[in-house]
Amino acid sequence: KAGVTQTPRYLIKTRGQQVTLSCSPISGHRSVSWYQQTPGQGLQFLFEYFSETQRNKGNFPGRFSGRQFSNSRSEMNVSTLELGDSALYLCASRFGSPDGYTFGSGTRLTVV
Amino acid sequence: AQTVTQSQPEMSVQEAETVTLSCTYDTSESNYYLFWYKQPPSRQMILVIRQEAYKQQNATENRFSVNFQKAAKSFSLKISDSQLGDTAMYFCAFMALTGANSKLTFGKGITLSVRP
Repeated sequence: KAGVTQTPRYLIKTRGQQVTLSCSPISGHRSVSWYQQTPGQGLQFLFEYFSETQRNKGNFPGRFSGRQFSNSRSEMNVSTLELGDSALYLCASRFGSPDGYTFGSGTRLTVV
Repeated sequence: AQTVTQSQPEMSVQEAETVTLSCTYDTSESNYYLFWYKQPPSRQMILVIRQEAYKQQNATENRFSVNFQKAAKSFSLKISDSQLGDTAMYFCAFMALTGANSKLTFGKGITLSVRP
């Protein structure tokens, strides 16, 4: 079956702009989580959605938001981009049990 | 809050040899899972092995095994018969099973290089 699909793979934005990243989970997976990966901070949890509801949120400013649609696809949005938002953004989906986390290949965001 | 510590930033091993990657964690949770993920240059995080905290038996997946010491909060990964394809970053991760803490907390990772 198809894996977790993240689009786009690469993105370059200017400081102050906003960006939307997309994640299509594995068919049947209702939980989608987002992580930010940077060389300095490592992997940090952004949020988790389950059945269109945000179930858990990490320690990020309100500029970072997300949503999940009825087909379980998820988007995350970052407004008023800062240079420090440059990172690899990873999406992971699972059916329900902890051993089911499957990650996508990520979106590399560069803010200039 | 949970913390995961991987103190070795880099390691190198000869092909076909055995290498052990270290990980310690800290938590007040009683029910949790521990994971090792591999991230090759393709960027995709791949689950290598997982361990349920309530199980005393160490998990094994082919050439990969763990040494889980619950009292010491230690969770090391042993890779036997190392292969060139094992070259990647390896992350140790923790996940509690209780509501708000059911997210993955990762260590900083270790870069493993397998030499031919």
